[in-house]
Amino acid sequence: KAGVTQTPRYLIKTRGQQVTLSCSPISGHRSVSWYQQTPGQGLQFLFEYFSETQRNKGNFPGRFSGRQFSNSRSEMNVSTLELGDSALYLCASSLVTGAEAFFGQGTRLTVV
Amino acid sequence: DAKTTQPTSMDCAEGRAANLPCNHSTISGNEYVYWYRQIHSQGPQYIIHGLKNNETNEMASLIITEDRKSSTLILPHATLRDTAVYYCIVRGGGGTSYGKLTFGQGTILTVHP
Repeated sequence: KAGVTQTPRYLIKTRGQQVTLSCSPISGHRSVSWYQQTPGQGLQFLFEYFSETQRNKGNFPGRFSGRQFSNSRSEMNVSTLELGDSALYLCASSLVTGAEAFFGQGTRLTVV
Repeated sequence: DAKTTQPTSMDCAEGRAANLPCNHSTISGNEYVYWYRQIHSQGPQYIIHGLKNNETNEMASLIITEDRKSSTLILPHATLRDTAVYYCIVRGGGGTSYGKLTFGQGTILTVHP
């Protein structure tokens, strides 16, 4: 079956702009989590959604937001981009909260 | 979630078993041990998880000590494609952090020909 699909794979944005990233989970999975990976901070948890509700949030500023749709697809949005937001953004889906998570290939965001 | 400690890097010869240790001395009774790996520039890949019994699947075996304070991931016949960063994660069995994975720095495993 198809894995987790993230679009786009690569993105270049200018400082101050906003960006929306998309994640389609594995069919039947209802939990979607987002992570940011940078060389300096490693992999850090952003937030988790289950049945369209945010269940858990990491320690990121309010510029980072997300949502989940009724078909379990999820989007995350970053407003007022900063250079430090350049990172690999990873989405993971699970059958339910707490089950093993399967990751997508990520979206590589570069802010210039 | 309990903190984990892993060696920064390890080497292994192709075809030999790779044994990756992890210490999690503050693990509590309802916390699971998960292992993921990340090959360069790809998303992390789930390997295996366990609570207190040893586990085996098609990728690896997980050995958890009786006191649950440490564990070892075993790749029985390492190949060059197993070169990756391996993350040992302790994950809560409930509560607000249940859905989150806390990644440390992991172990860089290099498999040599």
